[in-house]
Parts: sequence; C-alpha cells; structure tokens
Amino acid sequence: DAGITQSPRHKVTETGTPVTLRCHQTENHRYMYWYRQDPGHGLRLIHYSYGVKDTDKGEVSDGYSVSRSKTEDFLLTLESATSSQTSVYFCAISWAGDNSPLHFGNGTRLTVT
Amino acid sequence: QQQVKQSPQSLIVQKGGIPIINCAYENTAFDYFPWYQQFPGKGPALLIAIRPDVSEKKEGRFTISFNKSAKQFSLHIMDSQPGDSATYFCAAPLGVNTGFQKLVFGTGTRLLVSP
Repeated sequence: DAGITQSPRHKVTETGTPVTLRCHQTENHRYMYWYRQDPGHGLRLIHYSYGVKDTDKGEVSDGYSVSRSKTEDFLLTLESATSSQTSVYFCAISWAGDNSPLHFGNGTRLTVT
Repeated sequence: QQQVKQSPQSLIVQKGGIPIINCAYENTAFDYFPWYQQFPGKGPALLIAIRPDVSEKKEGRFTISFNKSAKQFSLHIMDSQPGDSATYFCAAPLGVNTGFQKLVFGTGTRLLVSP
C-alpha cells in the first residue's frame, strides 16, 4: 500500500469533540492529500500539502484544518466534529504534481454520534 | 457542482462479459483522465489513465475510450472476471497546470461480476 499508514482505522466520537486523523508515509513523497468518501459523492478533496508547512484548501475544507510539520506526516483535524463529518477519510500521496498517480492509504472510518 | 458525471451507479455482469462504465466531463481544459479501482476496505488504486490526444488506450483487459467532441470517456473491461468486482471511479484534474495532483472524482460504479 505504497507505505502509507492511516491512524486510527476506526473512530467513534461525539458531536462537538475535536478529532485528529494521522497519515504517515515512508515514501518521501512531496505531495499529500486528504479526501473524504461518501455514498453518492465519490471522493472529495478536503486539503492538500505541497511541502512541509505548505498546505491549501480543496473542495470541502469547511470544518477541517491540516498541518504538516514533517515530510512524512499529514494531520487532519476536525475542530468540533459534526454528524455531517461522518465519513471514510483517505490520505493520498504523490511523487510529482500534475498527472502523477495518487497512492491511497486504507482509510479511517469516522462516525460522529 | 458535479464536474465529472459517472454512470451507471451499479452494474452486474456475468463472467466473460464486457462491462462499460461511462463518464462525462464539463471542463474542456481537463487534460488527464485516470480511472481508479477500489476493493472493499481498501483505498482506491490507479488502474489506467488517458490523455485527450489519443482516442483509446489499452492495458491488459482494461480499455479507455475517449471522445473529445462529446466530452466523454469510458472504461471497458474485456473478459471480466469475478476478481474484477470492485468500485470504479473516473476522475479529472480539478485545476489545469497547477503543479498539484488535485483530482475531482466521479461518484463511482459498483461492479459485480458473477461466476
């Protein structure tokens, strides 16, 4: 799985609590991405990073923040979780920018009750 | 708004059949069209990709057909096998020449190949 580890794999949390999901890569890829997957919506980009401390918003960034203090780690934080953020979250990496393959982790299933 | 429209949502074929999954896009500046395959409990993985300067690309049993004038591209799976049962996503880059791999995905097609 391209050396990508997502943690935790499953999490149940309550509305209003903060949650942090972690993505760790061993490939030394420059680009990292967070997607969420929901039925009927496919995969939607939340945030992405193009280097240490360099991040930007994707399509559905409201309610999420990210940080990348090291090449290998990309954290996704839900400051105050809501039920609409119940989803499967995927981290992805790519070696280069345009048109290079995305390699995905195995996802984190998050349930907000 | 959905920039890449994928159909059908689900598809059942018998072993040896040729399932066809279609995608339509809106932005004529898109210049890269990958297909991803996802098995249950796993992340998507790149299956095959095409650029709009060719009308067809084959890799093994998988073929992408591209129709630039109609703004459509399709995935065909020849001699489908039960092991091909998965969810398939088409995609296109969210931006053009951005230097970043930001993809917008279709909504997915769940394929079941019966033995």
